[in-house]
Amino acid sequence: DTAVSQTPKYLVTQMGNDKSIKCEQNLGHDTMYWYKQDSKKFLKIMFSYNNKELIINETVPNRFSPKSPDKAHLNLHINSLELGDSAVYFCASSQVGGFNEKLFFGSGTQLSVL
Amino acid sequence: LAKTTQPISMDSYEGQEVNITCSHNNIATNDYITWYQQFPSQGPRFIIQGYKTKVTNEVASLFIPADRKSSTLSLPRVSLSDTAVYYCLVGPPGYSSASKIIFGSGTRLSIRP
Repeated sequence: DTAVSQTPKYLVTQMGNDKSIKCEQNLGHDTMYWYKQDSKKFLKIMFSYNNKELIINETVPNRFSPKSPDKAHLNLHINSLELGDSAVYFCASSQVGGFNEKLFFGSGTQLSVL
Repeated sequence: LAKTTQPISMDSYEGQEVNITCSHNNIATNDYITWYQQFPSQGPRFIIQGYKTKVTNEVASLFIPADRKSSTLSLPRVSLSDTAVYYCLVGPPGYSSASKIIFGSGTRLSIRP
């Protein structure tokens, strides 16, 4: 069983479209995250939820809206997609939340905006 | 958070021991040091974490000198499957630090037969 699973693996879409990426973890963790990895391989946190509550919201355009229906799921909806949104998006989870905790990552969603 | 510096790339051969050093000159008293491994088309995977001296697990060892201004990830007897990008992160525990974590460009390790 995959601990952190996200779908789809690849997402190719046109500028201006709205798309969603889904993430689920079966580890029983309380905290989930969305990270973005750019072309230079820098991986930066976007959002963090703890028990369905938004904890961290970095300077991300409000076109990006995370939604956590329960603590095992954290979805990412992106409105009005732009070329600069092309990147790999990773979902992750940890037991409680905090730097010294082990992060478990999904395999990523490669988003290509044309 | 403490800035980290690590080599952009390293090459080695199967069966060798590989040591990747990370510099973190402005590490704070309560900072931990964590290493992740990332294979192509996968998310990073936790390898090891330490605060001081030496930590060893089934995958790697982490050596931290007394001044903690650097740390060395040691991979014993590497194989082709150890080819990956290795990230060094430094920061304190707690939510406030998690938001500032940036996985830098890491060290791209290539293992040859």
